[in-house]
Amino acid sequence: AQSVTQLDSQVPVFEEAPVELRCNYSSSVSVYLFWYVQYPNQGLQLLLKYLSGSTLVESINGFEAEFNKSQTSFHLRKPSVHISDTAEYFCAVTRRGNTGKLIFGQGTTLQVKP
Amino acid sequence: SQTIHQWPATLVQPVGSPLSLECTVEGTSNPNLYWYRQAAGRGLQLLFYSVGIGQISSEVPQNLSASRPQDRQFILSSKKLLLSDSGFYLCAWRQSYEQYFGPGTRLTVT
Repeated sequence: AQSVTQLDSQVPVFEEAPVELRCNYSSSVSVYLFWYVQYPNQGLQLLLKYLSGSTLVESINGFEAEFNKSQTSFHLRKPSVHISDTAEYFCAVTRRGNTGKLIFGQGTTLQVKP
Repeated sequence: SQTIHQWPATLVQPVGSPLSLECTVEGTSNPNLYWYRQAAGRGLQLLFYSVGIGQISSEVPQNLSASRPQDRQFILSSKKLLLSDSGFYLCAWRQSYEQYFGPGTRLTVT
């Protein structure tokens, strides 16, 4: 079975500072990895995904994540955050080839302060 | 393009009352569909998933049930709500390996 651990429940950071949201997963088989973002009282939006190929994946709004197989991690980073990045971020994993069930971490609340 | 709808957006129901939440997807056919629950301050828990009409898999034994009467319709139900059923319910559909979520239904059981 797969599991996902997001190491920080809350991450406060000042505007324009860099941020890293940590995600570790556990799986005995190959997986696909995702980051989702949730703004208050809204559904989840796919931020970025790792399926194969380059281990560094980027989103259109400046976030990036790096798949590290040896450390079973998929940390999310942004070099300079904005107030509008304040949201909850979820890391998720799915096993290749199954019915597509996603296993989510508990979420990390990113709070960007002015 | 594909869109996913959920209704109602919010719902307040007394303990013991029935529940019906609806999810519909547009712009795709035969999607895999999922119901998740997000309790306050917690992550998402997969409740049910469906790979086709009439095919429902339950992930967690509980007070809820799901049905898929049409290809792009997924319904979450309960005969008698419990206080513990309160939460934010999210429907999702699968494209390739990623899932796309609806706007959610906030359910408060009083």
